[in-house]
Formats: sequence, C-alpha cells, structure tokens
Amino acid sequence: EDQVTQSPEALRLQEGESSSLNCSYTVSGLRGLFWYRQDPGKGPEFLFTLYSAGEEKEKERLKATLTKKESFLHITAPKPEDSATYLCAVQWLTGGGNKLTFGTGTQLKVEL
Amino acid sequence: IAGITQAPTSQILAAGRRMTLRCTQDMRHNAMYWYRQDLGLGLRLIHYSNTAGTTGKGEVPDGYSVSRANTDDFPLTLASAVPSQTSVYFCASSRGQGNGYTFGSGTRLTVV
Repeated sequence: EDQVTQSPEALRLQEGESSSLNCSYTVSGLRGLFWYRQDPGKGPEFLFTLYSAGEEKEKERLKATLTKKESFLHITAPKPEDSATYLCAVQWLTGGGNKLTFGTGTQLKVEL
Repeated sequence: IAGITQAPTSQILAAGRRMTLRCTQDMRHNAMYWYRQDLGLGLRLIHYSNTAGTTGKGEVPDGYSVSRANTDDFPLTLASAVPSQTSVYFCASSRGQGNGYTFGSGTRLTVV
C-alpha cells in the first residue's frame, strides 16, 4: 500500500503565484520527513528535515511544515528557477530498523 | 568539491553481461545507499551500508550485490543484467539515521 503520497503529480504556476505541495503519509513511528528538489538529469538535492508535528523550516521562497499526517511545501512568489520535481521522503521505525520511503514527487513548472 | 561521484554517467549494456556501477564519496559519511528511480515508482532502495564492512538488503535487492570495503567506496554489481534493470541508479550517503541524504548525479543504465 502507498505509505507516502504526494499531490498534485504536476503543477503549473505563473511567476509570483504562490501555492503548496502536499506530502501525506500513513506510517507510524515517524523519525523524520525530508524534502528534496530534483532537476532533470540530476540527483535529488536535500532541502529540509522535519522531525515533529508543528515544526517549520524555511529557505528562500520555500517553507516546509509538518503535521501528524502530512507535510506541506509552501512556495511563495515562485520564479522560473524554482521549476523542478519536489520529492518528500519519510523515515520511520519498523521491526527491522529505520526505513526511508520516498513519494513519487510533484513536478513543478513556473512560467513567466 | 565535497560530494558523491558516480561512474559511468550512462551505459548501454547487453542482457546477460556483468556490470559494476561505481560510487565514491569524500564526506566521510558512515552510511551509503543505492537507489533506482523509475517513472511512476519513485526512488526504491536496492542495498545499503550503515558502516564500512557491513551491508544490507533494501526493497528491491534481487539481481544486485554490493560491497563496502572502506568508508568511501560503495560499488553496485549486476551479475547478469536483464532488461527490467533498465533504470536510473543513484548512490547516496548520510552521516547517519535521521540526517539528510547527499545524492550523486546518477547512472542511466539501459539493458538491451
């Protein structure tokens, strides 16, 4: 079953049009939630780690928040250079130890 | 520049051939990982190593093997390649559980 679900799959914004990306998870024993940015032909680039509900992290036009069931990546006044695929990953505790599960990503396109 | 180096960047391989994907990091991270990324499936863990001398199986280990003789190197071997192993392969490292991962730029492998 899907344990990490990202929505929407794709999002097209005009420059300056703020929006949010969603990452919902159904795992228990959350150890951390990670956000990454991936440009075409490159590896994912680490953005944020959130560890507990209520926590927020910011970096330039990006702000990540976390609740007990989901995380949001808010993009304020985006620019074309923010176009990329944004991945979230959840680290959780299983009987076999920690496990990291990735979502399938949201492909963001910011147009002039 | 500190980071992860993967080689080759791309490869076309005949089915049945043996292939080793190379991964080297210079950050002295303890943990290293191999993922494959396929459209619609996201990143899936193949094998991991929490520290030099130890390895473990991930979500999709069949057909792959790894070794971790030292801290810096973590090669991935396909003993007898099959077309279903066509994918983009990413090597990653982290200081430890709960820390963000650093990814390489990937190896695009096509098995024909």
